[in-house]
Amino acid sequence: AQSVSQHNHHVILSEAASLELGCNYSYGGTVNLFWYVQYPGQHLQLLLKYFSGDPLVKGIKGFEAEFIKSKFSFNLRKPSVQWSDTAEYFCAVRSGGYQKVTFGTGTKLQVIP
Amino acid sequence: DAGITQSPRYKITETGRQVTLMCHQTWSHSYMFWYRQDLGHGLRLIYYSAAADITDKGEVPDGYVVSRSKTENFPLTLESATRSQTSVYFCASSKGQGDEKLFFGSGTQLSVL
Repeated sequence: AQSVSQHNHHVILSEAASLELGCNYSYGGTVNLFWYVQYPGQHLQLLLKYFSGDPLVKGIKGFEAEFIKSKFSFNLRKPSVQWSDTAEYFCAVRSGGYQKVTFGTGTKLQVIP
Repeated sequence: DAGITQSPRYKITETGRQVTLMCHQTWSHSYMFWYRQDLGHGLRLIYYSAAADITDKGEVPDGYVVSRSKTENFPLTLESATRSQTSVYFCASSKGQGDEKLFFGSGTQLSVL
């Protein structure tokens, strides 16, 4: 069964600091990878996704993620965070041709003005 | 564009009672999903459906029942609610057909006393 690990449960950063959130998955075959974001009081929405091709994918609001197959990783990055990036971030993986998407436990990001 | 709606938004019930959470989508998406979100566990898949009358278990299906008689509706029933089912429940949908982006509802916050 596929699984997703997010090692950082709670991250606190000052505005303009750089962000990197770790995500590792367990499935060895073809995978589709996602980052979803949940702003306070809102539902989850897609931040970015990787299906194939360029392993560096860019999403909304200046976020990007790099797929490193050899490390089974899909880390999320942003060069300079803003207060409005305060949210919970979820890494997710879909594999094996199934529609089921497995989520990580989430990382709460708090950006201090 | 109504999207995906869940009802009720909040629900308080007692142990042993039957509870049904509703989910309705207006896009005619093939796939629909039910997740529960709990602290420390992230989002866990309860059930999903590939089309009307086709459903399958996710990671944590015990104590839940789903049906999908129409493409647009995917109700989740707790047959005999337990305190461990206190959670936030999210319904989601996706087109399938290679587009795996999940669209989430606003969630139902369920408390079982």
